[in-house]
Amino acid sequence: AQKVTQAQTEISVVEKEDVTLDCVYETRDTTYYLFWYKQPPSGELVFLIRRNSFDEQNEISGRYSWNFQKSTSSFNFTITASQVVDSAVYFCALTNAGGTSYGKLTFGQGTILTVHP
Amino acid sequence: KAGVTQTPRYLIKTRGQQVTLSCSPISGHRSVSWYQQTPGQGLQFLFEYFSETQRNKGNFPGRFSGRQFSNSRSEMNVSTLELGDSALYLCASSLGQGRTEAFFGQGTRLTVV
Repeated sequence: AQKVTQAQTEISVVEKEDVTLDCVYETRDTTYYLFWYKQPPSGELVFLIRRNSFDEQNEISGRYSWNFQKSTSSFNFTITASQVVDSAVYFCALTNAGGTSYGKLTFGQGTILTVHP
Repeated sequence: KAGVTQTPRYLIKTRGQQVTLSCSPISGHRSVSWYQQTPGQGLQFLFEYFSETQRNKGNFPGRFSGRQFSNSRSEMNVSTLELGDSALYLCASSLGQGRTEAFFGQGTRLTVV
C-alpha cells in the first residue's frame, strides 16, 4: 500500500520568510512518481511539480525548490521569500503509474500555509 | 487551451435523492479521475476512466458510479444521498499514463441536507 504523510498541519509565516513543507512517502514500488499540488480557496488543485523515482535531482523554479531524497523517502518543498499569494493548502501526492494505481494519486493530508503581510 | 471544466459548481440536495456531476477534460486527455475531498478524510480516490473503460476504483460503496463518453467527458452519479456525501468532488484529467501530471477542475461542492 502507498502512503503519504505531511506532518505539518498548519504553518504560519510572515511575508519574505522562507518556509519548507515536509512530505514523507511509503511505497514498495521501485518506479513511482511524486507530485506537489497547491489548492487556493477557489478549490482547484494546481499542479506544481512532478518528480520520477529514478531522478533525484533537486529542482528550482523561481521562488520554489524541491528536495527529493530516496534514502529518507522524502520530497520536501521550499518557498523562498514567501508572499501573501502563497497562502493555500499544499498537497504532496504519489502514484506508481500502473496496475492498481491507474489514475490514482495517493495524497497526504495537506499543509495549510498562511503568509501574513 | 481550456482547462478541466466541472459542472455544476454548487449543488444542494436532500437525503435520499440522487445527483449527477459532470466533467469535461482537457482536449486530448483520455483519462478522467474523480476524487472526494472532505475535512475529515482528505482527498480520496473514487474511480478512473480511460477511453470509456473504468480502469480503477477506490473504496466507495456502489452508490457511487461513473461513466465516460466517447468524447472523454465523464459523469459521476451518487444515488440515495447521505449526509456524509457532502463534500467537494474534484475531477482530474490526464493523458492516461501515470507518469504524467493530472490537471484538476475547480470541483463541485455538494451539500446534502
